[in-house]
Amino acid sequence: GNSVTQMEGPVTLSEEAFLTINCTYTATGYPSLFWYVQYPGEGLQLLLKATKADDKGSNKGFEATYRKETTSFHLEKGSVQVSDSAVYFCALSLVGNEKLTFGTGTRLTIIP
Amino acid sequence: DGGITQSPKYLFRKEGQNVTLSCEQNLNHDAMYWYRQDPGQGLRLIYYSQIVNDFQKGDIAEGYSVSREKKESFPLTVTSAQKNPTAFYLCASSPYVSQDGYTFGSGTRLTVV
Repeated sequence: GNSVTQMEGPVTLSEEAFLTINCTYTATGYPSLFWYVQYPGEGLQLLLKATKADDKGSNKGFEATYRKETTSFHLEKGSVQVSDSAVYFCALSLVGNEKLTFGTGTRLTIIP
Repeated sequence: DGGITQSPKYLFRKEGQNVTLSCEQNLNHDAMYWYRQDPGQGLRLIYYSQIVNDFQKGDIAEGYSVSREKKESFPLTVTSAQKNPTAFYLCASSPYVSQDGYTFGSGTRLTVV
């Protein structure tokens, strides 16, 4: 079956630190990959996506590269801000099956 | 602007009562989904619907019911049979064939008092 494994949280960093949140996947076929962000008390928002191998998704200073050889889609940001504090979810979908498979989420807290 | 609207944002229910959570979208999306999120937890799929008048159980459907009479609307009823209904409920939608993932509503926080 399909699955997404995310880095265990919570993750606490100082402002301006480098961020990596690991995400690996198992899928039958060629998935599209997503990162969603959830701010406190809100729904999930799409942060970035990649639809094929070697694609790089980017948004708001965050980046993730679709690595087929390592089945990974790690989220990175060069310099985090307090406003980046949120829960981050990695997810995949397969063409023809729109049901997303989510990871368990990683809570990120940035300290000033 | 197109979007997905959940109402109400906060809902209180007495034990033994049924309650219905609203989810409406004007994105012309075919598929709609309901998830439950408990504090510090991930998302668990309750029900989903890919076309009008059809829906499927997700991983935790017991104690919940849904209907899909219109493309725009996918209400969720939390019945008295749901043993532990206090949670944050998220509705989402997507086109039937898409690589764009889901659009989520802002959620409804249900508390049993």
